[in-house]
Order: sequence, then C-alpha cells, then structure tokens
Amino acid sequence: RKEVEQDPGPFNVPEGATVAFNCTYSNSASQSFFWYRQDCRKEPKLLMSVYSSGNEDGRFTAQLNRASQYISLLIRDSKLSDSATYLCVVNPNNTNAGKSTFGDGTTLTVKP
Amino acid sequence: SAVISQKPSRDICQRGTSLTIQCQVDSQVTMMFWYRQQPGQSLTLIATANQGSEATYESGFVIDKFPISRPNLTFSTLTVSNMSPEDSSIYLCSVVAGGPSEQFFGPGTRLTVL
Repeated sequence: RKEVEQDPGPFNVPEGATVAFNCTYSNSASQSFFWYRQDCRKEPKLLMSVYSSGNEDGRFTAQLNRASQYISLLIRDSKLSDSATYLCVVNPNNTNAGKSTFGDGTTLTVKP
Repeated sequence: SAVISQKPSRDICQRGTSLTIQCQVDSQVTMMFWYRQQPGQSLTLIATANQGSEATYESGFVIDKFPISRPNLTFSTLTVSNMSPEDSSIYLCSVVAGGPSEQFFGPGTRLTVL
C-alpha cells in the first residue's frame, strides 16, 4: 500500500462546477499536510496547507480528518485555469518539510 | 519565498555516460533536496544535501549512482552516473523557505537516456 493515495482521475468537469479530491495517508504520526498544484511540464507549487480545523482560500477548501487519515480538497466554481494535477503531500513532522511524501496526483481538466 | 534555477533544463544522453545537474537558490538555505519524477508519477525524494557534510540518501538511492555536492548554502549539484534508459526522468531541486513547511521547487531538468 502506498503511503499517500489519491484517486488519479482524470476529473473532467465543466466551468463553474464544484469538484472534490480525496487523499488517504497511512502514517498515523504524520504532522503536516498540503495540497500542491503541478501544471503540465512545470514544477509543483504550494496551493495550500491543510489544518485540522479545515481552511479556506477563496474557491478552495481543504479538510483534514486525522481519525480517518483522510484529506480533501474542494474547488468551487471551477475555472479553466484550474486545470492541473493536484498533489496531496504528507509530512511526518513539522520541522523538515523536505522529507514529505507525495501522492501520485489527481488530474483535473476544466472544460468550457 | 525562494527562487530556484536549474541547469540544464533538459538533456539527451547516451547510455553509460554521466550528467551533472546544477541547482542555484537566491537565498541561503540549510538543506536542499533532490527529487525524481518519472513519467506519469509523483515525486520521489532521492537525497538531502547538507552543507559541510555528506548527503543523506533515501532507500533505493546510493551515492555511487547519484553523487551530490553542496559547496555552499546556495548551490548544489546532483550527478546521475553511468546512465541507463531507466534514469530518464525529471530531476527537481527543492528547498524549504519562508517557514518550516513550504517547499519551493526548481523548474526541473528533463533527462532522456538513449
């Protein structure tokens, strides 16, 4: 079993749709969680951190369920520019983010 | 934040040769990380490059195959030695900056081994 598992998709949605991605992790001692975005042929970039209380940044909402070892990302009112691969990232501690484990990513295509 | 550059951006190499990838950061950082991203897959950490000491390698990666240098706090190199087609991948340099949890990545080096 992979340490971080994501539904690979692809998710094909129309503009304006709401789409949700899920991610599960196996290490119950994991401390910090993130969603990264990777555009085609580009490097990953941090989209948002994920906190236990849940957090929102504009159209994006991230949730963490430690009991179920589950992370989610919700995108509302999808835009064409949201088309990308979304990587779930889990870190075992808060002091060395470079040791993070990356999921294989979920690909989203938003169509007009 | 951190701005990272890598050289070369891409290369096509012959089997059995070696390629050295350079990573330059615009600020001093304690640790630099080298990742590999194979086609259609996510990132796998190769090693952590520490200034003033040997790099720390992850399971499945060894120094003889991926020697790393870290001469100062803004620069590192990764060499892919004795290459085979299985080494064809994107190699990314990364640092943690602006806080303990945010990683920044270089643009990557796209390597094709024939």
